[in-house]
Amino acid sequence: GENVEQHPSTLSVQEGDSAVIKCTYSDSASNYFPWYKQELGKRPQLIIDIRSNVGEKKDQRIAVTLNKTAKHFSLHITETQPEDSAVYFCAASMRGAGGTSYGKLTFGQGTILTVHP
Amino acid sequence: NAGVTQTPKFQVLKTGQSMTLQCAQDMNHNSMYWYRQDPGMGLRLIYYSASEGTTDKGEVPNGYNVSRLNKREFSLRLESAAPSQTSVYFCASRTKSTDTQYFGPGTRLTVL
Repeated sequence: GENVEQHPSTLSVQEGDSAVIKCTYSDSASNYFPWYKQELGKRPQLIIDIRSNVGEKKDQRIAVTLNKTAKHFSLHITETQPEDSAVYFCAASMRGAGGTSYGKLTFGQGTILTVHP
Repeated sequence: NAGVTQTPKFQVLKTGQSMTLQCAQDMNHNSMYWYRQDPGMGLRLIYYSASEGTTDKGEVPNGYNVSRLNKREFSLRLESAAPSQTSVYFCASRTKSTDTQYFGPGTRLTVL
């Protein structure tokens, strides 16, 4: 099955700095890569996602890049703010033959991001 | 539109007791999922239901059973709880058009 590794496990930055979280995946058939943000005691919430036919996607201060050859993808947060402090999870999912996807996600272990004012 | 709801929010069980975690969604999604979240291990898929009437095992199904009662509801049952099942359980549903999964608020379960 799929295996997703996420680094670093903790990341501490100053407000205004950039933050980068990296993930690698094992199954070359994986083709959907979402990123979730989870605040303490809350549910995971999707912040951005990317598909294997796209190399980069941006949404305001957040961007995700994908390198299919190397099987890794990264989350980039620019101009970090204290409210960006949370746990971030990457995940990977495979779409099966004929385009059918059961949506089974394999998650990374998470990165605790702390943004200091 | 409540999205994905779960009951109960908290539960304490003794070893060997049984219970059912309830999940419902009002977004007309076909697919629903149960995950468990343990410290340092991310979320792991327990069972999923690709559509009404079907269920299948995920990564960590041992000790659990599920029922897809109808399109809205997907329940998770622990027949004989063990301390290793102490965790936070999240239910999710997925919109097929974008693959986005929406999570419920979670159930924090402690097995003594």
